[in-house]
Amino acid sequence: DVKVTQSSRYLVKRTGEKVFLECVQDMDHENMFWYRQDPGLGLRLIYFSYDVKMKEKGDIPEGYSVSREKKERFSLILESASTNQTSMYLCASRPSSGTAYNEQFFGPGTRLTVL
Amino acid sequence: AQTVTQSQPEMSVQEAETVTLSCTYDTSENNYYLFWYKQPPSRQMILVIRQEAYKQQNATENRFSVNFQKAAKSFSLKISDSQLGDTAMYFCAFNTGNQFYFGTGTSLTVIP
Repeated sequence: DVKVTQSSRYLVKRTGEKVFLECVQDMDHENMFWYRQDPGLGLRLIYFSYDVKMKEKGDIPEGYSVSREKKERFSLILESASTNQTSMYLCASRPSSGTAYNEQFFGPGTRLTVL
Repeated sequence: AQTVTQSQPEMSVQEAETVTLSCTYDTSENNYYLFWYKQPPSRQMILVIRQEAYKQQNATENRFSVNFQKAAKSFSLKISDSQLGDTAMYFCAFNTGNQFYFGTGTSLTVIP
């Protein structure tokens, strides 16, 4: 089974702190994604990566950056956390070919609270 | 613009009954895939069912089936013989290229 793991299920940080959210997948997928999920807004794409060291902005990249130094790991960085970044963050991965080509596999999510 | 609309924020159904969740979408693309994802309370999001836009036949997966109307850009999910484990948030989504577009979700509660 494809496994996507995220470093924390719950995280509490203070305004202005630098925050790292880590995501690791074990199926050699080329594509990885970061979403934030808010009630009434669904999932909104922050960034995605289609290869090591490659990244593309999604719909709401402001206030975030990403890093993909290795194929299996995709990190989301909040340079200076703000209260409006309190949310559930979901990581997903997806292969570039094969029978699961058009399926995204999700991690369990990280619920981030910024005080 | 690529959009997905789920007009039912919350729904409930009696156990063993049938329920249909609505979804409409908008895209100018001709080739795309449609999905229903399920997110149980405090658990991981998982794929329920997938439909390829070029296929006219509606997809089915056990108790889950879709009604895909391409011209109307409608993609509803029917859950038959509802079970308590079906209680979850359901997201409709479509994919074109490398991006996925999600609706705002429908919270389904199955009542014993």
